[in-house]
Amino acid sequence: GQQLNQSPQSMFIQEGEDVSMNCTSSSIFNTWLWYKQDPGEGPVLLIALYKAGELTSNGRLTAQFGITRKDSFLNISASIPSDVGIYFCAGQPEGGSEKLVFGKGTKLTVNP
Amino acid sequence: DAGVIQSPRHEVTEMGQEVTLRCKPISGHNSLFWYRQTMMRGLELLIYFNNNVPIDDSGMPEDRFSAKMPNASFSTLKIQPSEPRDSAVYFCASSLLDRGYEQYFGPGTRLTVT
Repeated sequence: GQQLNQSPQSMFIQEGEDVSMNCTSSSIFNTWLWYKQDPGEGPVLLIALYKAGELTSNGRLTAQFGITRKDSFLNISASIPSDVGIYFCAGQPEGGSEKLVFGKGTKLTVNP
Repeated sequence: DAGVIQSPRHEVTEMGQEVTLRCKPISGHNSLFWYRQTMMRGLELLIYFNNNVPIDDSGMPEDRFSAKMPNASFSTLKIQPSEPRDSAVYFCASSLLDRGYEQYFGPGTRLTVT
């Protein structure tokens, strides 16, 4: 089945630094989404991307839908301690199903 | 507005017992998804419903797992009999049918089977 390769697996950064993470696939996706999960909670939708090349921001977060439709990245600018958590990419494969494929997550630690 | 509600938040049971997890989707949402999350396998879709009808249950691991959605505001995931390898966090998510990729997750049920 389709798989998403998310990298890096983990990141340790200082408060104020910018962060970048990405997801790639060998398959084409129609939609890319980025979620954040805090400990003991469910994933929370951050950004949804609907077409190739699209660049969308949500506060300090910016995500892009790759031109090839096989990748996406998420940037966080000027990180703060509450950015700590696990970030997941998810994609809706070509074919129109509501099923999402999730990456394995990037665990972000921000040192004050 | 209330988000997706799941109960219980934690469940500890002995191997062989029946376990029932419950979910109330966001009001007005007509798609509902059950996921399982483990360290080894990440987030896996088990089954999803559109308008209370099961659409794809190919992710259900085996016959011990069953899910129902008797109405638009309630769904259950049942494991009978439970086994230690079923220990995981189970999430329910809901969405609008025409935006099924924008899924909103509940807080999850942490299941431990001893």
